[in-house]
Amino acid sequence: NAGVTQTPKFQVLKTGQSMTLQCAQDMNHNSMYWYRQDPGMGLRLIYYSASEGTTDKGEVPNGYNVSRLNKREFSLRLESAAPSQTSVYFCASLRFGTEAFFGQGTRLTVV
Amino acid sequence: SQQGEEDPQALSIQEGENATMNCSYKTSINNLQWYRQNSGRGLVHLILIRSNEREKHSGRLRVTLDTSKKSSSLLITASRAADTASYFCATDDTDKLIFGTGTRLQVFP
Repeated sequence: NAGVTQTPKFQVLKTGQSMTLQCAQDMNHNSMYWYRQDPGMGLRLIYYSASEGTTDKGEVPNGYNVSRLNKREFSLRLESAAPSQTSVYFCASLRFGTEAFFGQGTRLTVV
Repeated sequence: SQQGEEDPQALSIQEGENATMNCSYKTSINNLQWYRQNSGRGLVHLILIRSNEREKHSGRLRVTLDTSKKSSSLLITASRAADTASYFCATDDTDKLIFGTGTRLQVFP
């Protein structure tokens, strides 16, 4: 099994550009999450989806949108990137009440 | 603010010593989990303890949970240089999985 797959691994954007981070899991998990991690910091929850068809804001949702395309896929969109969104982004999935599985992360730099 | 706060923020020890890190959280939980992150990598699950459990062991790891104090501790016994990493606690808040701020552990050979 591939587990959780995130694309791309690296991205450089100019301020104001848009992009979509893709995440897919093959473990039939209901819940999926997007986090950002700034240098030396913990993970902060951006958005999550407890089940197919639902999405909810996390701790730091401003500047982001998400789509739960189907049970497998959960995408994160930056409509107008800002330097403050320079970070490492992680996608995760889990069956609630059990361990979370993480993607390898996307390193995003906004210049 | 984040659900979990961990202390210490950083910990340096010699190989063979034990490492203890603590996590405090704010709301009721179903379970608490600990994860490890090597520099620049994704997180890896270490251990999960349910709210009705008080202690759990896995290899050299021992986790305790005190729901009355809303706190947990992770003990790594007989540490190795390979244990050098950041360690995070995570709590489930309804459908959300919220992470603490993390403890950076450095184990010197």
